[in-house]
Amino acid sequence: ETGVTQTPRHLVMGMTNKKSLKCEQHLGHNAMYWYKQSAKKPLELMFVYSLEERVENNSVPSRFSPECPNSSHLFLHLHTLQPEDSALYLCASSQARTTPLHFGNGTRLTVT
Amino acid sequence: SQQGEEDPQALSIQEGENATMNCSYKTSINNLQWYRQNSGRGLVHLILIRSNEREKHSGRLRVTLDTSKKSSSLLITASRAADTASYFCATAFDNYGQNFVFGPGTRLSVLP
Repeated sequence: ETGVTQTPRHLVMGMTNKKSLKCEQHLGHNAMYWYKQSAKKPLELMFVYSLEERVENNSVPSRFSPECPNSSHLFLHLHTLQPEDSALYLCASSQARTTPLHFGNGTRLTVT
Repeated sequence: SQQGEEDPQALSIQEGENATMNCSYKTSINNLQWYRQNSGRGLVHLILIRSNEREKHSGRLRVTLDTSKKSSSLLITASRAADTASYFCATAFDNYGQNFVFGPGTRLSVLP
């Protein structure tokens, strides 16, 4: 148990589907993150939510939509994805903006 | 933009040997962190070294930081088969926006 829980662990979806990834942290942290991990590429930050702000990577397509209803929950809404969006999506949390990240075990997404 | 780069990309050693991985970066940092990732899982934080520190130990791990060369190294002593994983450095810096940059990682294989 890492303190950060992601569901589902695996997801297969067609390009016309709409689905959501869920993340929950039980650590009392103030910041939550979505990262994308593709084969042979560095971890790519998609979105950050903290007490002060929401930060997004401008290169993330609009077919990814984050939602953070409170400091413990984070969602990533997916719609009309492309096969190249297949990857491991990791949620993380941290106490502050430069303190260690605590990761969930990720959602392995396959877009067919 | 700042980027952590690990070297080597892959490393294969025998059990009991030491493993050394290096990380280089480009701009000023608040701290540098090392993470480990087992296949298909989330990243786990190993150790953090602040910009004003030069060396840090945690169990079989030893991390050094040379801010003049903008580089860090992670040494794992007396390696075990269970140390087989990917290792990532992440540079953390104060920024109103993205605070972490991850390198592409070193894939370590420890052979029994």
